[in-house]
Amino acid sequence: KNEVEQSPQNLTAQEGEFITINCSYSVGISALHWLQQHPGGGIVSLFMLSSGKKKHGRLIATINIQEKHSSLHITASHPRDSAVYICAVYYNTDKLIFGTGTRLQVFP
Amino acid sequence: SAVISQKPSRDICQRGTSLTIQCQVDSQVTMMFWYRQQPGQSLTLIATANQGSEATYESGFVIDKFPISRPNLTFSTLTVSNMSPEDSSIYLCSVGQGAIYEQYFGPGTRLTVT
Repeated sequence: KNEVEQSPQNLTAQEGEFITINCSYSVGISALHWLQQHPGGGIVSLFMLSSGKKKHGRLIATINIQEKHSSLHITASHPRDSAVYICAVYYNTDKLIFGTGTRLQVFP
Repeated sequence: SAVISQKPSRDICQRGTSLTIQCQVDSQVTMMFWYRQQPGQSLTLIATANQGSEATYESGFVIDKFPISRPNLTFSTLTVSNMSPEDSSIYLCSVGQGAIYEQYFGPGTRLTVT
């Protein structure tokens, strides 16, 4: 059983829409990553957080430690945001545990 | 953040052959990781490669199948040996740098075995 659950698995949006991707994990963690994977396969680290909220451009990541839940928000979505978004966590080790990803398609 | 390059970016190989994937980092890093992503699956850690020591393999991965070299603090290779179609995957190199838990990923190598 994957210890990191993401929802939804697939997401389709129109350009300009506000998007939310959710990540839940089962026990206490040390840190959480949000990653973006484009069709070519390369991965970009968007955020690393252990508490609170981070913002970078149109992207916002939040984490609620008590509820063991994190969200990634994209404001004013654009077709170039189309990618797979992956949540990954550290369970007190130096190894990342990955979610299965959310495939986002944004149409013009 | 670290800038990571991988070679080759993609390859198509025949069953029974071997492929060596290179990972180059633009700065010295202690920890390097190799991951596999099979089609439609999430990433799985193959091994951790620290300079000056043997690579540490995860359950289900063995050195004979995935030998790793780490000759210095900026470079590592992963070899996929005696390939079968089940080895068709994206192989990603990543590094740990800076604050603990920071990890950066390479562009990946897309391998297809026929």
